[in-house]
Amino acid sequence: GENVEQHPSTLSVQEGDSAVIKCTYSDSASNYFPWYKQELGKRPQLIIDIRSNVGEKKDQRIAVTLNKTAKHFSLHITETQPEDSAVYFCAASNEGGKLIFGQGTELSVKP
Amino acid sequence: DAGVIQSPRHEVTEMGQEVTLRCKPISGHNSLFWYRQTMMRGLELLIYFNNNVPIDDSGMPEDRFSAKMPNASFSTLKIQPSEPRDSAVYFCASSAASGRARNEQFFGPGTRLTVL
Repeated sequence: GENVEQHPSTLSVQEGDSAVIKCTYSDSASNYFPWYKQELGKRPQLIIDIRSNVGEKKDQRIAVTLNKTAKHFSLHITETQPEDSAVYFCAASNEGGKLIFGQGTELSVKP
Repeated sequence: DAGVIQSPRHEVTEMGQEVTLRCKPISGHNSLFWYRQTMMRGLELLIYFNNNVPIDDSGMPEDRFSAKMPNASFSTLKIQPSEPRDSAVYFCASSAASGRARNEQFFGPGTRLTVL
């Protein structure tokens, strides 16, 4: 069935370093790949997304890359700051709109 | 727009009681999703609706759980009878099925349910 695998489950970096989170998906019909950030006690919030007609998208310090052939996509955060500390979720969906979420990555940015 | 609205924000109840969670999606969105989040199982999709019609309820854990969407601006998730293992944060999310922002899901603040 549909599945999204996310790695690593925890990631600790020094402030100013880059962080990379990777996801793979199983459903070849997937065409929409959002990333959510969830701070402790808060709701998941969309930070960036990519659709299958592009290979890369960037928004200031965050970027997402997509490799449809290999069925994997990645989140890149550059110049990390302590406020980037949170749990990050990747997800994949097809035209039906149902999102399949990864297991989450707990990112810790140490000052 | 106020975003997705959920109520109550917190609910504490005793085992065996009926619990009803409520959600108002973003105006104009025609897809609505109910999720459950726990430390052990992460973020699980329970059920979702398109145009008020349930499309996929394969994530509903058992018959004690039911969901309705009587109109485009309101949905309920009911647990009857509730059990301690139902304790979790329940999120509602909505999205538009068409347009540039199609499939972008916006989450409500969640309902933290504790069943004693």
